[in-house]
Amino acid sequence: DVQLLESGGGLAQPGGSLRLACAVSGFTFSSNAMRWVRQAPGKGLEWVSTISDSGTNTYYADSVRGRFTISRDNSKNTLYLQMDSLRAEDTAIYYCAKVAGAYYLDYWGQGTLVTVSS
Amino acid sequence: EIVLTQSPATLSLSPGERATLSCRASQSVSSSLGWYQQRPGRAPTLLIFDASKRATGTPARFSGSGSGTDFTLTISSLESEDFAVYYCQQGSNWPLTFGGGTKVEIK
Repeated sequence: DVQLLESGGGLAQPGGSLRLACAVSGFTFSSNAMRWVRQAPGKGLEWVSTISDSGTNTYYADSVRGRFTISRDNSKNTLYLQMDSLRAEDTAIYYCAKVAGAYYLDYWGQGTLVTVSS
Repeated sequence: EIVLTQSPATLSLSPGERATLSCRASQSVSSSLGWYQQRPGRAPTLLIFDASKRATGTPARFSGSGSGTDFTLTISSLESEDFAVYYCQQGSNWPLTFGGGTKVEIK
């Protein structure tokens, strides 16, 4: 079975940092691009970042570019999101997801809640 | 940025009824459109990709249609587990974008 398990969420102060991790199993991690998507409380889905299968190429939403860094360790089957200079508007559930085809997301983790507040 | 507009925002229907959800793109996305279902407190799940292809495990009562700028998700006969929020997502242009969602609620 395909499984994606996020961790690392919690409470951070404005300007602070958090590092999210997403441990995957059940598929060949190194063959798939991966994505982070977030959902603010009571709101819709927002794409955050994408990383290619090798990790060579990364992409970011304008709202997080320069503050967040996506990375992966294919030897550990783990995806990461380093979140720096956090803002209140970054408060959301963060989901990792497996990219299938060119763009769609066929498997999602259960999400991890990030709250940015003083 | 391609904006996806979903309508209606809320659809109130009874079990057994047909649901028709719309997703309109601000410019053509060809057939690069997916639909996701999100039940309360759960992660989204993929229902439809490439506008009309059912994902593995998607029941046959779900169907997608459309191309270019206008897309439809149809649920032929609502079952209790179908009452949820549905999002469309385009993969034609960066940045990837989602629609605002349609909530299908029990009437």
